[in-house]
Formats: sequence, structure tokens, C-alpha cells
Amino acid sequence: DTAVSQTPKYLVTQMGNDKSIKCEQNLGHDTMYWYKQDSKKFLKIMFSYNNKELIINETVPNRFSPKSPDKAHLNLHINSLELGDSAVYFCASSQKCRAGVCYTFGSGTRLTVV
Amino acid sequence: KNQVEQSPQSLIILEGKNCTLQCNYTVSPFSNLRWYKQDTGRGPVSLTIMTFSENTKSNGRYTATLDADTKQSSLHITASQLSDSASYICVVSDTGGFKTIFGAGTRLFVKA
Repeated sequence: DTAVSQTPKYLVTQMGNDKSIKCEQNLGHDTMYWYKQDSKKFLKIMFSYNNKELIINETVPNRFSPKSPDKAHLNLHINSLELGDSAVYFCASSQKCRAGVCYTFGSGTRLTVV
Repeated sequence: KNQVEQSPQSLIILEGKNCTLQCNYTVSPFSNLRWYKQDTGRGPVSLTIMTFSENTKSNGRYTATLDADTKQSSLHITASQLSDSASYICVVSDTGGFKTIFGAGTRLFVKA
């Protein structure tokens, strides 16, 4: 009954490969996100989708392409992987709450590019 | 520039002791501030959420304070337990939630 689940948990791949990370939420939230946590532990937003529509697209290389087949799923496809793409990628979903917006995060996907 | 700075970067305490983590921010216009706990290999989990009008919020042994005038927040952990070992991340959002800025976190180690 995991609220936000992402797969795989670990991903090791060679430079130049193309890979996808999947995310699903069963909370009924309308908005989903992809965050990247780098080695300095900063979490930075990459994309945000609301009801399958892209609403936030931060400065991210166009090798990264999100896809939302429905509002419960937000996948991240990465083309031509580079060493600098190594990081932990977190999926999250959100809903409006009393304090503003409340987020629920997945457990992360640790991507290592070798 | 919107920023969230946390201190200390890391902290080691003995089990049973109290500790306080700091968060300074420059996000404007301010909407809310959250403290998250991130266990190793897991996603962040919300501990507290405070809006502009709230000065303090507790969640068990965790107590967060907010001074919106000085743009500072603290997270106080009472009677620490080994399971408190984690990263604690301060997150500040602007009005409307268009900007959500994450701090780099404080890595807390609780030793027996």
C-alpha cells in the first residue's frame, strides 16, 4: 500500500545508454514531480505535472523527458546518459493542505552512470 | 535570490540528549516552512509544517519554531533516540507554491 512508489530503486548503467525510471502514486493527488538530489544533498525540482499536463520544467537538459500517461503515473526517460547524471532521483506527489501544499515523496532511485 | 541555509552541516550527539538544528531562509514572499526527516536510502518524510502566523509546532519529540521576522526556524529534538539518525531538511515555499526551496540538510548521528 505504498503511497508513492518508484522503480527501480537502484540503476547502474554505462554512459550513452538510455534509461527510464517509473513512478506511481495511489493517493489520488493531481500533481506529481521529479526531483534530483545531488551529492551535496540538495533536492532540486526538475519537472512538475498537474493532471497529466507539464506545469514546471526547470532548466534541465532535454535528454530528460518526463511522460505522464495518467495522473497517477509520472515516468522519467533519460537519453544518452552522462556521468553527471549520477544522483538520486525522487518522485513526489502533492495535494493542497491547510498549510499550502503537502508533499509525499517516493523512496528514490539511485542512478549511477559509469 | 531565494535560499535556504541550514546549520550545522552535521551533528553527533549521544542517545538521550537534546539538540537543535537551524534553518535561515530568504524566500519571499514566504508561505510556509517544513521540516523533513530523510532516512538513508529513503525519501523525505514531513515532520512539521508552519505558516506565517505559526511560531511553534510539535510532533512528538520534534518541536519546530519559526520567526518570520528574522526568517529563521529551528528544529528541536528532545531525548534523542538512535532512530533519529537521519538528515533533516528545511523546505521553504513562497506564496502560491511556485518556488519550493530545499536546504542541504543537517546530518544527525545519534550514538549509543
